[in-house]
Amino acid sequence: AQKVTQAQTEISVVEKEDVTLDCVYETRDTTYYLFWYKQPPSGELVFLIRRNSFDEQNEISGRYSWNFQKSTSSFNFTITASQVVDSAVYFCALSEAGGNTPLVFGKGTRLSVIA
Amino acid sequence: GAGVSQSPSNKVTEKGKDVELRCDPISGHTALYWYRQSLGQGLEFLIYFQGNSAPDKSGLPSDRFSAERTGGSVSTLTIQRTQQEDSAVYLCASSLVFVSEAGANVLTFGAGSRLTVL
Repeated sequence: AQKVTQAQTEISVVEKEDVTLDCVYETRDTTYYLFWYKQPPSGELVFLIRRNSFDEQNEISGRYSWNFQKSTSSFNFTITASQVVDSAVYFCALSEAGGNTPLVFGKGTRLSVIA
Repeated sequence: GAGVSQSPSNKVTEKGKDVELRCDPISGHTALYWYRQSLGQGLEFLIYFQGNSAPDKSGLPSDRFSAERTGGSVSTLTIQRTQQEDSAVYLCASSLVFVSEAGANVLTFGAGSRLTVL
């Protein structure tokens, strides 16, 4: 079974629309970490956010926001007022056992923002 | 260095040949990771190093794959007798330590080595 599921393979939106990327994870550990990374067309993954399992506060950074819900094992990522530069593949990842396991990534969601 | 450096950026080889992929992590980073990204498959974990030691080799796809790290710095991923299914982008990442009091560390990735096996 996949530990990190990103059900949306590809999403296409028009510039200025809001878009939410879904991430569902699976773990039996009580202490774990969740991450989001962005992979632009250049190929190099860029870190966006790290969240530990004890911190369920939602986070906002500019146009980006993250909704962590332990009850549904989800860590969704919303981009508000999307821009063409947001076009990329976005990966959600999980590290279990208090961070003592290497990151396990989902298969990614390719986001295309059309001008 | 300022970032994680990987070489070659692009490698085309014939089936059956051996290839070596190199990763130079950020200076001072003790943890180093190798991932493989195949089309539509996301990132597949291969192996990680703490210093020169690899505690977990279970992600290596077959015994044709091996990796080493010397001097706590540069790492080499070797694929022997390459097969077409080995074609992928091989990504290297590093972090200051594997896990700290702050928890799981943030990985910094290189740009990857694209391997094409004909």
